[in-house]
Amino acid sequence: KNEVEQSPQNLTAQEGEFITINCSYSVGISALHWLQQHPGGGIVSLFMLSSGKKKHGRLIATINIQEKHSSLHITASHPRDSAVYICAVRKSGGSNYKLTFGKGTLLTVNP
Amino acid sequence: DAMVIQNPRYQVTQFGKPVTLSCSQTLNHNVMYWYQQKSSQAPKLLFHYYDKDFNNEADTPDNFQSRRPNTSFCFLDIRSPGLGDAAMYLCATSRVGFVGIDEQYFGPGTRLTVT
Repeated sequence: KNEVEQSPQNLTAQEGEFITINCSYSVGISALHWLQQHPGGGIVSLFMLSSGKKKHGRLIATINIQEKHSSLHITASHPRDSAVYICAVRKSGGSNYKLTFGKGTLLTVNP
Repeated sequence: DAMVIQNPRYQVTQFGKPVTLSCSQTLNHNVMYWYQQKSSQAPKLLFHYYDKDFNNEADTPDNFQSRRPNTSFCFLDIRSPGLGDAAMYLCATSRVGFVGIDEQYFGPGTRLTVT
């Protein structure tokens, strides 16, 4: 079983819909990252969370440390939000500079 | 302003012909990473530098080497590329400080094709 699981794997939405992508992890972490990758493109860091909630524009990320779960929400989705969204965690303990990645969620927003 | 720059963006090399990919950063971050990402897969960490200290992943083939001549630059050398090395190569940086590790900043990637 992967240490970082995302759901759904694929998500199709209509423009304007509210979108939620979920991430569950099974290890102790010091931080959780949400990343965005457009097809054939590089990776953009959206959020780094260790507790609570963060908001940037139409994007909101929440984390529940006790439940080992995080969600990424997109309000008023737009076709330009179509991308792969990746959840990644930094495990706690030691000098751990590495990220453990989920397999990603492919989001398609249709006009 | 670009903060993590990778050159070239696209690289075509022949089977067995050495190739070097370049990464530079304007963030003055002390950690630099190289990832390999194949189609529809998560990025796979090859190695990282914490300052000048090189940290190789256990399953990174010997064919892959890296150099970090100074804080700003890091190179990925593939000594004898095989067809299986065709992938997107991502460079990333982060800062390790007294309060912990900041988020990682990724470059745009170099797409390597091996013919």
